[in-house]
Amino acid sequence: AQSVTQLDSQVPVFEEAPVELRCNYSSSVSVYLFWYVQYPNQGLQLLLKYLSGSTLVKGINGFEAEFNKSQTSFHLRKPSVHISDTAEYFCAVSGASGTYKYIFGTGTRLKVLA
Amino acid sequence: KAGVTQTPRYLIKTRGQQVTLSCSPISGHRSVSWYQQTPGQGLQFLFEYFSETQRNKGNFPGRFSGRQFSNSRSEMNVSTLELGDSALYLCASEEGTQNNEQFFGPGTRLTVL
Repeated sequence: AQSVTQLDSQVPVFEEAPVELRCNYSSSVSVYLFWYVQYPNQGLQLLLKYLSGSTLVKGINGFEAEFNKSQTSFHLRKPSVHISDTAEYFCAVSGASGTYKYIFGTGTRLKVLA
Repeated sequence: KAGVTQTPRYLIKTRGQQVTLSCSPISGHRSVSWYQQTPGQGLQFLFEYFSETQRNKGNFPGRFSGRQFSNSRSEMNVSTLELGDSALYLCASEEGTQNNEQFFGPGTRLTVL
């Protein structure tokens, strides 16, 4: 069965410090990987996606993620966070070629401290 | 292009009632998926409609149903509401090609009393 694990439910970090949000997945088929951000009382906004090709993916707002097939991971990183990055972040996996739809992790709440 | 819109944004119902939520996808998108988001269960996939046909389905009881119209707009219906159905219901649209990139609406917050 497919699954996504976000190991950290909450991550506090000081402003301008780097951050890494962890995501591991399990799948028996090839996958597409996504990171979404959700601000309070809003829907989800796509930060970045991995479909194929380069394993280092750059997204919006200075975020990037690296796909590691051997470790089945897709960790999200940002070298310097801002107060405005405070939000909930979701990792999602879907089966390539539509074999299955999105499976989301439980989310990581990033809190940026002044 | 306009984004995904969902109506209503907030809804209060009582147990036993039924409810219909609406989603208008991005123009040109043929696939609409529905998700339930709760603090305890997180984001769970309900179903996906593509060209008016249900293409994928999650593990929800038959009280949850949906449909898609020829203009790609979709509705989700929940019958015989239970307290546990209180959640944020998110709709997502995608072109329908194989890249699976979904664009989410703001959600409908359903409260069941």
